[in-house]
Amino acid sequence: DAEITQSPRHKITETGRQVTLACHQTWNHNNMFWYRQDLGHGLRLIHYSYGVQDTNKGEVSDGYSVSRSNTEDLPLTLESAASSQTSVYFCASSGRLANYNEQFFGPGTRLTVL
Amino acid sequence: GDSVTQMEGPVTLSEEAFLTINCTYTATGYPSLFWYVQYPGEGLQLLLKATKADDKGSNKGFEATYRKETTSFHLEKGSVQVSDSAVYFCALSEGTGAQKLVFGQGTRLTINP
Repeated sequence: DAEITQSPRHKITETGRQVTLACHQTWNHNNMFWYRQDLGHGLRLIHYSYGVQDTNKGEVSDGYSVSRSNTEDLPLTLESAASSQTSVYFCASSGRLANYNEQFFGPGTRLTVL
Repeated sequence: GDSVTQMEGPVTLSEEAFLTINCTYTATGYPSLFWYVQYPGEGLQLLLKATKADDKGSNKGFEATYRKETTSFHLEKGSVQVSDSAVYFCALSEGTGAQKLVFGQGTRLTINP
């Protein structure tokens, strides 16, 4: 069955370190998204991509970057981790056709920055 | 920009009670509207959707009607179960061709037996 996976599921890192969170989908979806979930804020969009070599900034993109070299993967990089980036991160993907923007979510990565 | 506002939580109900979770939105165009559910320790799943005014989305006993005149998309269920305990998110996308979602802050629902 097609799926979307994230790794690692849990990560503890130190302030100033570079961290990369992986997202892999086997739906063959063109569109991929990264969100962070924080209490009281719901999900906020960090970056998104509508296809290979396409990346766009979302609402809270400062301190984060993404690259899309193939259809299946959209890794999220924190260039220099800060305590404010402690959060749960969700990756999602969606197709182009009839499902009216239904996004399929991964299980999440809980990141703690000490 | 577009935004979604949900009723404050947490909400605690007894089993078989009637549920309403309010959701209102602000959008410049004609958005599609969604309810997503997040069970403990999991990612979000689409619960139901509506793509134009007066559409009713329904799934698993939950319903929501797209009300353009009141810019609302309230979630209802006639008789909740313990298994409905989860966090519920209202969301919109900026038209049927767009892909980005804007989420409300989420409402945590707990159902007691």
